[in-house]
Amino acid sequence: EIVMTQTPLSSPVTLGQPASISCRSGQSLVHSDGNTYLSWYHQRPGQPPRLLLYKVSNRFSGVPDRFSGSGAGTDFTLKISRVEAEDVGVYYCMQATQMPWTFGQGTKVEVK
Amino acid sequence: QVQLVESGGGVVQPGGSLTLSCAASGFTFSSFGMHWVRQAPGRGLEWVAFIWDEVSNKDYADSVKGRFTVSRDKNTLYLQMNRLRADDTAVYYCARDINYVVDLWGQGALVTVSS
Repeated sequence: EIVMTQTPLSSPVTLGQPASISCRSGQSLVHSDGNTYLSWYHQRPGQPPRLLLYKVSNRFSGVPDRFSGSGAGTDFTLKISRVEAEDVGVYYCMQATQMPWTFGQGTKVEVK
Repeated sequence: QVQLVESGGGVVQPGGSLTLSCAASGFTFSSFGMHWVRQAPGRGLEWVAFIWDEVSNKDYADSVKGRFTVSRDKNTLYLQMNRLRADDTAVYYCARDINYVVDLWGQGALVTVSS
């Protein structure tokens, strides 16, 4: 099983300021087909997760361009260029390169 | 409207059984792999099971292997849960897979295992 480790676990942010979340995998997420199946999800309290980014850096339909993803191999980053009030909640990275799919522990983003 | 709607959650005693359903609408259900993902109260997300079709290609988390069975028919995904334990208490989400990405989630069904 590939272990996914997120840092920080909590991120107090100021509205309008940037935020960054790191996700590290226990082994390379490069699939045999050459793709890297690393996704990011956002979850608000009482709601299901919502897809933000897939294959490291591809924004899903309707996701604002203030969200961006980068990284390769075992180290990945989610960045929010300017945090808005609707961005609070918990962010999860997830790998789908190898079964079982595994998630990071989650990073709680809250307003200072 | 493209959506997934879970049902069948509830309270069950340890050792008991429960079956969750997930009704899909607004898309060609048979064209997608489907997953179950759960979330214990106040905890993170845990992948539970995957199914592509009934003939082959199913997979399970070690924590549920031998106790849970995933299946599907025309427009519905199922999760048969046997020998339930307290640590199976969670919100169970069904989720659609499009090329190794979960792009659509249901609202979730709460399963509580308690005596």
